[in-house]
Amino acid sequence: EPEVTQTPSHQVTQMGQEVILRCVPISNHLYFYWYRQILGQKVEFLVSFYNNEISEKSEIFDDQFSVERPDGSNFTLKIRSTKLEDSAMYFCASSGQGNYGEQFFGPGTRLTVL
Amino acid sequence: QKEVEQDPGPLSVPEGAIVSLNCTYSNSAFQYFMWYRQYSRKGPELLMYTYSSGNKEDGRFTAQVDKSSKYISLFIRDSQPSDSATYLCAMDNGNNRLAFGKGNQVVVIP
Repeated sequence: EPEVTQTPSHQVTQMGQEVILRCVPISNHLYFYWYRQILGQKVEFLVSFYNNEISEKSEIFDDQFSVERPDGSNFTLKIRSTKLEDSAMYFCASSGQGNYGEQFFGPGTRLTVL
Repeated sequence: QKEVEQDPGPLSVPEGAIVSLNCTYSNSAFQYFMWYRQYSRKGPELLMYTYSSGNKEDGRFTAQVDKSSKYISLFIRDSQPSDSATYLCAMDNGNNRLAFGKGNQVVVIP
């Protein structure tokens, strides 16, 4: 069964460093998303991406964040200058055209900022 | 008022019991309703997806939506120890921006 994959599974970084989280969405999906989950809190929407541009972004997704689809398979989230409060699980998700809401999630990348 | 409310209190049930979970919401624009299952340190796994009021059944799982009361439920029949996980409700108003509840931790005791 096709699935969303994410790398790395765990990333440790120093405050102020840049990180890039990588995702490979399900191959025939056209909509891509990033969510995050701070320990003990809700899963929160960050950004959605369709047709090589951002469709929606939340107030969390400020200028420190960017997304890119560098090729036909990868979808990345970059955090330019990490802060302690960026420590969280980051989930990538994808959905097919027309399947509003049926988003399939990857296993997540645990980001720890020291 | 929070957009999606889900009582996060842990729920322990004996194997074979019916598990009943629910969420309330305040945004009447929500059209699509989902239940996800999340095992510890894993990503949310889509269990049920519905977009209308009423019941939807899939095996041992039944999702119920009452748009007039802004209330959704998930029932798990004949619960198994493998059902032990956190269950998240999620909602979408059509912009693909899911709003999640906090999650219910369920423990099924053999």
